Amino acid sequence: KQEVTQIPAALSVPEGENLVLNCSFTDSAIYNLQWFRQDPGKGLTSLLLIQSSQREQTSGRLNASLDKSSGRSTLYIAASQPGDSATYLCAVTGNTGKLIFGQGTTLQVKP
Amino acid sequence: DAGVTQSPTHLIKTRGQHVTLRCSPISGHKSVSWYQQVLGQGPQFIFQYYEKEERGRGNFPDRFSARQFPNYSSELNVNALLLGDSALYLCASSLVWDREAFFGQGTRLTVV
Repeated sequence: KQEVTQIPAALSVPEGENLVLNCSFTDSAIYNLQWFRQDPGKGLTSLLLIQSSQREQTSGRLNASLDKSSGRSTLYIAASQPGDSATYLCAVTGNTGKLIFGQGTTLQVKP
Repeated sequence: DAGVTQSPTHLIKTRGQHVTLRCSPISGHKSVSWYQQVLGQGPQFIFQYYEKEERGRGNFPDRFSARQFPNYSSELNVNALLLGDSALYLCASSLVWDREAFFGQGTRLTVV
């Protein structure tokens, strides 16, 4: 049974800092891994999708990596801003097509 | 181009009642999935539909049912509501079942 874990559960950093969010999964047989952002009480915004054959994806100040063999992904946020404050969720998709989510990391960027 | 739209955005129901939630996918997307998110947790998979057929079902009781219409929109129905059904219900659409998923803003259901 696939399980996804995100550490830490919460993170507070000063504005301008570079930071890394971690995601681990127990079954390496995944089709893809997706990172989402969720603002309080809102839906999920897709940030990056990494196919199982890829090692990383970049979008602006965000860079996500994937190491299937070790069951790990990281989301790197460069030069963090207060507007980056949100909960970040990672999710993996296997052959069933359903997304299996971690519990999320709640990020606070202080001005 | 419109994203995934869900209605209603908020809903208050009484225990024992029935509720129907609606979702319109992104134009051209044939796969719709439903997720339940309780406070402080990641979303949990409820159903996936692809080309109007149920492709997967999560670990939810039979009180939960769904369907997908010919225009690929979808409904999630919950019967005999319990207090524990209070949650944010999220709909996701994708081009096909294993591609990037895009979520709607969710329906906040409160059962009193």
